[in-house]
Order: sequence, then structure tokens, then C-alpha cells
Amino acid sequence: SQQGEEDPQALSIQEGENATMNCSYKTSINNLQWYRQNSGRGLVHLILIRSNEREKHSGRLRVTLDTSKKSSSLLITASRAADTASYFCATDTDGGSQGNLIFGKGTKLSVKP
Amino acid sequence: NAGVTQTPKFQVLKTGQSMTLQCAQDMNHEYMSWYRQDPGMGLRLIHYSVGAGITDQGEVPNGYNVSRSTTEDFPLRLLSAAPSQTSVYFCASRYEAPYGIAITTEAFFGQGTRLTVV
Repeated sequence: SQQGEEDPQALSIQEGENATMNCSYKTSINNLQWYRQNSGRGLVHLILIRSNEREKHSGRLRVTLDTSKKSSSLLITASRAADTASYFCATDTDGGSQGNLIFGKGTKLSVKP
Repeated sequence: NAGVTQTPKFQVLKTGQSMTLQCAQDMNHEYMSWYRQDPGMGLRLIHYSVGAGITDQGEVPNGYNVSRSTTEDFPLRLLSAAPSQTSVYFCASRYEAPYGIAITTEAFFGQGTRLTVV
């Protein structure tokens, strides 16, 4: 069963704007990760945030985690056409499944030049 | 390093045929997994392995078989292909976190195998 659930399913913005994607999950976690998938390609890891962290930055990416609400958000600032891709959150299963990653259904981001 | 290599990239099978999807990694990762990706469903875990000789089932294991005889290779076998197995298949590997660190490490993905069963 899906652990993470991204919102919105699709997002279309203009170049230069910020893009925010949200992820909600169901059970307690050790950490949450975000991945990007370009069309026809494999997933690429973007950022990992541990359960005891509230915010993390990597370049133009900012990730927040609220364990009390079981939710995370990914913010891409000053978006570029090259950011067009699908974005997935992935959570582990604390104490189960050997720490396997469970992926949500993804947010499809389209950045128009 | 090549990372995670999947072959073939594309495959068309007839219903009832069997085949093996190959996955190899050169990063000496302990953990390897197979996912399938279907439109609107995200990625679903089929089988996984935490080391050579050790495999276990994921969320959707029926119709698939795996083995892990070496650290590097983790093939996925379709026993008798069905149209419902039409999907894009991804292999991923992860390294083991240092002892005592409760963390699920980042996954490295292959480029995928697009399988069509007719």
C-alpha cells in the first residue's frame, strides 16, 4: 500500500516562479526522501530529511518535515524549464520491511519557459 | 562506475512467455529492489534483497521470482507473462547505513525496462 501521497498530482508554472509540492504519509518514519524522474528515465535522489530534522536545504531546494502532521513539502525556488519532471516522496517503514522505500504517486511539474 | 544497469531497455512478450530482466550494480550495495511503475500508481515494490542469498517479497510479488547469488546481480524473472504485467520496471540499490544509524539510505535507480505483454 502507498505510504506517501503527493499533492498536487500536477503543477504547471512559469519559469522563475516557485513550485511547492506536498507529501503526506501514514506511519512513523526514520527519514523521508524526495526524488525526481525525468520523462523516460529512472529516479534520481534529491534530498533526504531525517525524522528529527524540520528543514533542509540543497541549492534551490528546500524540504520541510512535520512529523506531528505526517507531512513534508518540497519547494523549488526560481524554477527553470529543466526542472520539468515528476517528483516523488519516499518514506521508509520504521521497524519493518528492512527499511524499504515506499513511494508516493508523484507530482508532475511542468515549467513553461 | 556504471551505477545500476538494467537490460533490456524494451521488451515485448506474448502472454505465457517467460523472461528475465537483468539488473547489475557495481557499487557493492547490500540492498537491491525491484519496482514496477504504472500510470497513476507510482512505484510499487515487487521483491527486494538485503544481501546475497537473501530475498523477500514486496507489495506485488505474484507472478515474479528473484534470486541473489552475488552482491552485484539481482535478476527478476517473469514466470508466465500476463498483460497485467505490462509496466515499466526499475531496479534500485542502496548501501547499508553504518551500524547504529537508523536511516534508510538513498536509492540509486537503473534506467528502467519497458515491458509490453500482448
